[in-house]
Amino acid sequence: TQLLEQSPQFLSIQEGENLTVYCNSSSVFSSLQWYRQEPGEGPVLLVTVVTGGEVKKLKRLTFQFGDARKDSSLHITAAQPGDTGLYLCTSGTYKYIFGTGTRLKVLA
Amino acid sequence: DAGVIQSPRHEVTEMGQEVTLRCKPISGHNSLFWYRQTMMRGLELLIYFNNNVPIDDSGMPEDRFSAKMPNASFSTLKIQPSEPRDSAVYFCASSLMGNNSPLHFGNGTRLTVT
Repeated sequence: TQLLEQSPQFLSIQEGENLTVYCNSSSVFSSLQWYRQEPGEGPVLLVTVVTGGEVKKLKRLTFQFGDARKDSSLHITAAQPGDTGLYLCTSGTYKYIFGTGTRLKVLA
Repeated sequence: DAGVIQSPRHEVTEMGQEVTLRCKPISGHNSLFWYRQTMMRGLELLIYFNNNVPIDDSGMPEDRFSAKMPNASFSTLKIQPSEPRDSAVYFCASSLMGNNSPLHFGNGTRLTVT
């Protein structure tokens, strides 16, 4: 079973700060997905990365897939209260096991 | 387009009662997943179906849990008998089978067993 560990578990920052959260595994993934979950809702897909070393940008969010395809990071520039939520990573293949999640709170 | 629809949104029941959670996937999707989410254990995969057939139920905690998908537009997750430790938010998600397909989640059923 592929296990995904995310860090940090919790993060509370002020509006305008930058942050990076991580998703790590001992296994190699053919692809990896990031989701964001807001209170009272299901997770929503943010991005899929498939190539080692790949970088994808979604407005102020930058996603990177590690060269060895064992890890990924999500960097948020100038965080806003609307970024508050639970960030989850998962392999994008058949079984969709999710990581432990990073709970982010951005204070106005 | 309607997303994944789950019912009920909230369920409160007493220990020992049977609980049935329902899910209608997105039309055309051929994979369906049931997850359970708690603060302690995060988002756990319970079971998933491809083309209405259960493929992997290794995440189902015990025999008290069962899931069915009688057709492409409906699935149920049943707990009988329910226990307080089953209290959690249960999510259903659907996707098109294939690598990198996005999961589309419902808004979940919050189950409280007293």
